[in-house]
Amino acid sequence: DQQVKQNSPSLSVQEGRISILNCDYTNSMFDYFLWYKKYPAEGPTFLISISSIKDKNEDGRFTVFLNKSAKHLSLHIVPSQPGDSAVYFCAAGYQKVTFGTGTKLQVIP
Amino acid sequence: NAGVTQTPKFQVLKTGQSMTLQCAQDMNHNSMYWYRQDPGMGLRLIYYSASEGTTDKGEVPNGYNVSRLNKREFSLRLESAAPSQTSVYFCASSTDRGSNYGYTFGSGTRLTVV
Repeated sequence: DQQVKQNSPSLSVQEGRISILNCDYTNSMFDYFLWYKKYPAEGPTFLISISSIKDKNEDGRFTVFLNKSAKHLSLHIVPSQPGDSAVYFCAAGYQKVTFGTGTKLQVIP
Repeated sequence: NAGVTQTPKFQVLKTGQSMTLQCAQDMNHNSMYWYRQDPGMGLRLIYYSASEGTTDKGEVPNGYNVSRLNKREFSLRLESAAPSQTSVYFCASSTDRGSNYGYTFGSGTRLTVV
């Protein structure tokens, strides 16, 4: 039972444009949500999080939106840069953190 | 550098062999975790330790054992390796179990069982 789903395995975006990565979840008990970024041969690194009591959190070029009624969250990267090319994992937490399967983002110069 | 250190980085085992993956963190974190990453499966929790002296099973614990040796170190043992355990293993730590501040991950151990 995949409680956190990232339905797009990959995404290509032109440099300077907006990247939108999506994530859906099924467990209404999740009370916080996180995004991680992973480069090849490295461990995931924490990017940004949002509590279930909020609907938006912003950190520089990265913004996470949470729609609790739809059980959906998204990560917006504006403007996208070639260094943003990586695999992005969505994660959701309650008593423990559950990760999605990841979306590979390619930012084309 | 502060963070999570995993050893070894690469390992090839024959079916039936045993080995221990080592993990140490120097951030004074209470909680530590072992994940495996497989293509199309994301990161799946094997075992975790909410605090020194405690360990609990995650989603995929079969075939593994763990030891929280002290606050810094959390090891993962494969007693009799199987090809299904071919994966990339990540250790992580956090201030508390289920931290909203995120986990700090090590760089991973790529294990191949032949």
